[in-house]
Amino acid sequence: SQKIEQNSEALNIQEGKTATLTCNYTNYSPAYLQWYRQDPGRGPVFLLLIRENEKEKRKERLKVTFDTTLKQSLFHITASQPADSATYLCALQEQGGKLIFGQGTELSVKP
Amino acid sequence: NAGVTQTPKFRILKIGQSMTLQCAQDMNHNYMYWYRQDPGMGLKLIYYSVGAGITDKGEVPNGYNVSRSTTEDFPLRLELAAPSQTSVYFCASSGGQGLNEQYFGPGTRLTVT
Repeated sequence: SQKIEQNSEALNIQEGKTATLTCNYTNYSPAYLQWYRQDPGRGPVFLLLIRENEKEKRKERLKVTFDTTLKQSLFHITASQPADSATYLCALQEQGGKLIFGQGTELSVKP
Repeated sequence: NAGVTQTPKFRILKIGQSMTLQCAQDMNHNYMYWYRQDPGMGLKLIYYSVGAGITDKGEVPNGYNVSRSTTEDFPLRLELAAPSQTSVYFCASSGGQGLNEQYFGPGTRLTVT
């Protein structure tokens, strides 16, 4: 069956460290993979999109990798700050298909 | 730009009642979506639209209906509300051919008792 899995346990890290979040999928052939941030009581906010033929994408302190052989995407936040605390959702999209979301990983950055 | 707006923010319904969740966007996006999000879960697609007059079912359409008479508006109708429809509902829109980022509204928290 098709599945998208993100770290189910909350990730707790110290301010200044790099946070790494994982998104694994099975039985999909995504053309695109997106990452969103969601704060409590709010709608998701788009962060980054990476295409199947791209290995890595960066935006300021954020970096996303996409390995179609391992069927995995990694999302990194460098020099993390307490303001980065939120739930992060990965979502994949097959060519011509809809966006399918993972369940999200809660990140907590302690000062 | 207001982006994507949703009303109401909160609503409590009794079993069997009906209501319409409103969604509007001012970005001239062709694609619009309705999702529901249950606690600790990802978003599940209910219905989507690729343009005015065109709608299609998503992963969990049962118990819901939609219409798209204009580019801006995409209301979601709940008929005969059931406790299983207790959830947070998000509307989203995207431009281009639907392969771009999605812009989400603030959500409607619905409780059915």
